[in-house]
Amino acid sequence: DQQVKQNSPSLSVQEGRISILNCDYTNSMFDYFLWYKKYPAEGPTFLISISSIKDKNEDGRFTVFLNKSAKHLSLHIVPSQPGDSAVYFCAASALGTASKLTFGTGTRLQVTL
Amino acid sequence: ETGVTQTPRHLVMGMTNKKSLKCEQHLGHNAMYWYKQSAKKPLELMFVYSLEERVENNSVPSRFSPECPNSSHLFLHLHTLQPEDSALYLCASSQVSVTTNEKLFFGSGTQLSVL
Repeated sequence: DQQVKQNSPSLSVQEGRISILNCDYTNSMFDYFLWYKKYPAEGPTFLISISSIKDKNEDGRFTVFLNKSAKHLSLHIVPSQPGDSAVYFCAASALGTASKLTFGTGTRLQVTL
Repeated sequence: ETGVTQTPRHLVMGMTNKKSLKCEQHLGHNAMYWYKQSAKKPLELMFVYSLEERVENNSVPSRFSPECPNSSHLFLHLHTLQPEDSALYLCASSQVSVTTNEKLFFGSGTQLSVL
């Protein structure tokens, strides 16, 4: 049973527009959520995180929103740039422990000119 | 060097071969991990060494054998693999903490093909 789900395997967005990547989770014990970005032939790199005590966290062009009642989080990228084209993984854990991170299957974002 | 480095980047091996993947972290972290990434599947945790204690995923076949000689180095020894073991193998490290949320730092991975 997949506890972290990214239901959209791919997303295409025009440069300058907003990209919204979604993630749903089923385990109500999850209290720490992260987004990772992965380019081909490279390992995932940490992008942004949010703790369950917040409902929004912002870092430059990247904002993560958390809706605990819906068990849903989303990553907003504004404005989208061609260099944002990558696979984005959502991950979640309980008690903020990296050893217990559960990952989604990823969403491939393509930012077009 | 900085970060987490993995060698080799690519590996092709036969089912009867024995090979090892190597990982080194230069971040001063106290936990290291092996993950497997197969196409269209979530990253799958294989092994964790945390504060010198090994934690393993019981679903990992015995043909995968980890070794962690110290907090900076991690190996994954491979023997008699199957074609379905072909995947990207990622090493990661983190700093175990009771006061802050932890995050993983990944290496670039070893793309393994088993023929």
